[in-house]
Amino acid sequence: DAKTTQPPSMDCAEGRAANLPCNHSTISGNEYVYWYRQIHSQGPQYIIHGLKNNETNEMASLIITEDRKSSTLILPHATLRDTAVYYCIVRVSGLDSSYKLIFGSGTRLLVRP
Amino acid sequence: GAVVSQHPSWVICKSGTSVKIECRSLDFQATTMFWYRQFPKQSLMLMATSNEGSKATYEQGVEKDKFLINHASLTLSTLTVTSAHPEDSSFYICSAASSGRAYEQYFGPGTRLTVT
Repeated sequence: DAKTTQPPSMDCAEGRAANLPCNHSTISGNEYVYWYRQIHSQGPQYIIHGLKNNETNEMASLIITEDRKSSTLILPHATLRDTAVYYCIVRVSGLDSSYKLIFGSGTRLLVRP
Repeated sequence: GAVVSQHPSWVICKSGTSVKIECRSLDFQATTMFWYRQFPKQSLMLMATSNEGSKATYEQGVEKDKFLINHASLTLSTLTVTSAHPEDSSFYICSAASSGRAYEQYFGPGTRLTVT
């Protein structure tokens, strides 16, 4: 089962910041938080990941609370092309030392013109 | 960034036949590949994890004799849906990760399977 909880849908205006919350209250100390997004009928696209420090890249910023029980993905200037389903995922270790991504239901973000 | 391809992008087959889907990492060596299934308006469900040269590890509830996975090289994994039925109709997505960058999984564009 997914270890994250996200609101099913959100919307924001084009050009404004989109802040997508995620709860992962049962996260373990060595488990990373990943964010992916999926545009309709395509494969998921990697956005960002982090362990406990805030992270920023060319796509987004990831803010992780100090207790690591929740995080927020920030798209600083949302565009219409950012309309997608956003998945917050806690990466878990597989039995064979691989890392598995268990997808939850995600947040459907609609960016309005 | 790394590129993962899938072939075919869509396929229609008759009930009872088998279908093979290919997943290729085009510009990196994928030591681990993953197969997911996604039904309409649902999230991705992990089916199995495969490491190059070894048997795949299937998630609970996934029939390994029905969904045959082969990861014979560092750039190719295949998923064969055997004796397909209409309920196997779904969007199948693979992802790949390299040992050097295990923190990133790169996803393919997906294959839409329709069984009639």
